[in-house]
Amino acid sequence: EIVLTQSPGTLSLSPGERATLSCRASQSVTSTYLAWYQQKPGQAPRLLIYGASNRATGIPDRFSGSGSGTDFTLTVSRVEPEDFAVYYCQRFGDSPSFTFGQGTKLEIK
Amino acid sequence: QVQLQQSGPGLVKPSQTLSLTCAISGDSVSSTGAVWHWIRQSPSRGLEWLGKTYYRSNWSKEYVPSLRSRMTIDPDTSRNQYSLQLNSMTPEDTAVYYCARGRNFALDSWGQGTLVIVSS
Repeated sequence: EIVLTQSPGTLSLSPGERATLSCRASQSVTSTYLAWYQQKPGQAPRLLIYGASNRATGIPDRFSGSGSGTDFTLTVSRVEPEDFAVYYCQRFGDSPSFTFGQGTKLEIK
Repeated sequence: QVQLQQSGPGLVKPSQTLSLTCAISGDSVSSTGAVWHWIRQSPSRGLEWLGKTYYRSNWSKEYVPSLRSRMTIDPDTSRNQYSLQLNSMTPEDTAVYYCARGRNFALDSWGQGTLVIVSS
């Protein structure tokens, strides 16, 4: 089973700064199968990026995804107050269909 | 716009069966372009995919191997919903349970979540 490892565990930034979140896979992942989610306290995860670099419907363009193979990145170009949350990467594959990283918490500095 | 509305109990006794339902609006459980999933989340295990059902020319179901013997996911086309049953519940099954729609190899719409506590 492919394991996704996210880093850092916590990222402390001020509004307006750039956020770079990493997701590393234990084996190569097809870019089509890599997604990113945002989760705020008490809410379900929300899809941000699918296919490694495609923004989901309604997602602001300050969010972008990149990467290939085993290394993927979610970038928030200028962090807004509403962006402070936990972010997860996810891989689609064979049984189990989905695996998730352990999450990166983006907190206010 | 698709919406998923979950229903079911928040408290289950050990050894009993959990039953949750996910009602779909804005899409069809029989859609050949979607897959219908259950996921759970707990502090100890994080986000854990449980299983899915989908219709192409017939119905298919898939479960996470660790829970396959205890789990059933069923579509209900008459009510446009699908369900999760998980039997022999233990305190380790305590988690927030989510239903979600899958498209483009991602989960693009989620239910509101149901906190399920397993306790006597």
